[in-house]
Amino acid sequence: AQSVTQPDIHITVSEGASLELRCNYSYGATPYLFWYVQSPGQGLQLLLKYFSGDTLVQGIKGFEAEFKRSQSSFNLRKPSVHWSDAAEYFCAVGDLNTGFQKLVFGTGTRLLVSP
Amino acid sequence: GAGVSQTPSNKVTEKGKYVELRCDPISGHTALYWYRQSLGQGPEFLIYFQGTGAADDSGLPNDRFFAVRPEGSVSTLKIQRTERGDSAVYLCASSSGLAPGETQYFGPGTRLLVL
Repeated sequence: AQSVTQPDIHITVSEGASLELRCNYSYGATPYLFWYVQSPGQGLQLLLKYFSGDTLVQGIKGFEAEFKRSQSSFNLRKPSVHWSDAAEYFCAVGDLNTGFQKLVFGTGTRLLVSP
Repeated sequence: GAGVSQTPSNKVTEKGKYVELRCDPISGHTALYWYRQSLGQGPEFLIYFQGTGAADDSGLPNDRFFAVRPEGSVSTLKIQRTERGDSAVYLCASSSGLAPGETQYFGPGTRLLVL
């Protein structure tokens, strides 16, 4: 079965500094990969997704992610973090057996932004 | 336009009681999904509908959980004989179709607390 690992439970970044959130997946074929952000009281919002083509994917709010098959990774990056980026970030993979509709999520990384 | 809405936003009940959680998807979206998010965890898939029928209910934990979508729009997740372990945030999502990688749009969730 597919699985997603987000090794960092918490990350603290200074405002204006760069950010990288790690995501590793377990999947045999080319996966469908997603990054979602969850702010308090808000629903999950899609930042970006990858399923084919260019391995560097651009998303909303200045985020990007790079698919690296050799490392089974899909890390999320942002060059300069803003205080409003403080939230919980989830990586997810689409499940082949259900036509990629059933998303399998990691446990999340909570981003804290210091002044 | 309006996003996915869920009611109630919070529900407190006693062990053994029956609860219903409602989801209103984005208008025109044919696919609807339910996930459950326990504290400190990522969302876990429960069930998804294409139209009125449950296409995959493999994530429902046991027969106390049931979901319906009688007219292909609003869905209700029903939990019988609630247990303390059912306490979680129940998330609903919808998508315009079932193409691989189709974006799922999430509601804010219903926070269920079983005392």
